[in-house]
Amino acid sequence: DTGVSQNPRHKITKRGQNVTFRCDPISEHNRLYWYRQTLGQGPEFLTYFQNEAQLEKSRLLSDRFSAERPKGSFSTLEIQRTEQGDSAMYLCASSVGAGVTDTQYFGPGTRLTVL
Amino acid sequence: DAKTTQPTSMDCAEGRAANLPCNHSTISGNEYVYWYRQIHSQGPQYIIHGLKNNETNEMASLIITEDRKSSTLILPHATLRDTAVYYCIVRTSGTYKYIFGTGTRLKVLA
Repeated sequence: DTGVSQNPRHKITKRGQNVTFRCDPISEHNRLYWYRQTLGQGPEFLTYFQNEAQLEKSRLLSDRFSAERPKGSFSTLEIQRTEQGDSAMYLCASSVGAGVTDTQYFGPGTRLTVL
Repeated sequence: DAKTTQPTSMDCAEGRAANLPCNHSTISGNEYVYWYRQIHSQGPQYIIHGLKNNETNEMASLIITEDRKSSTLILPHATLRDTAVYYCIVRTSGTYKYIFGTGTRLKVLA
């Protein structure tokens, strides 16, 4: 059973650098979601895709953030010109994309530390 | 804002049932209640979901009140590995995103 995978698991970068994270969803899951989680808080929604189409973006997703899902399979989340406030766990989830309930399954996350 | 409220923390003795409450007084008729848990430094793990009937799976039971304004997640025989933050989520009808609250930090005591 292959769940959602995320790479890298940890990333340390200096302020001002660009970083890119990758998410591989569960096979045949049409929807893919990105969330961000800071210490002591629940995850916050960033964006989601239905196949390759990005259908919703949170106001949290500033101009420095961009997400893609070019072939409707894996997705990347890029942060340009990182700031210390970007330090967080970035979580990816996927769901089948059908039915009323459409349960999301989460990956292990990528922990970003901006120095 | 999250549509749910949960106690900040709870303790439970190992081997006893853990009952985690959740209030969702503004839930609409077709909105489901989902429960996830998050063990330290891991991604949230799906536990169970329900609409209005009680549900049970290999991990837990979900009891939803008749008016659907609250629910209880029951872990029948808590173990130390159940120590985690438990999130109750009501996904707003018409959207696919989850809005998490701060959850309940459950500590299972030996």
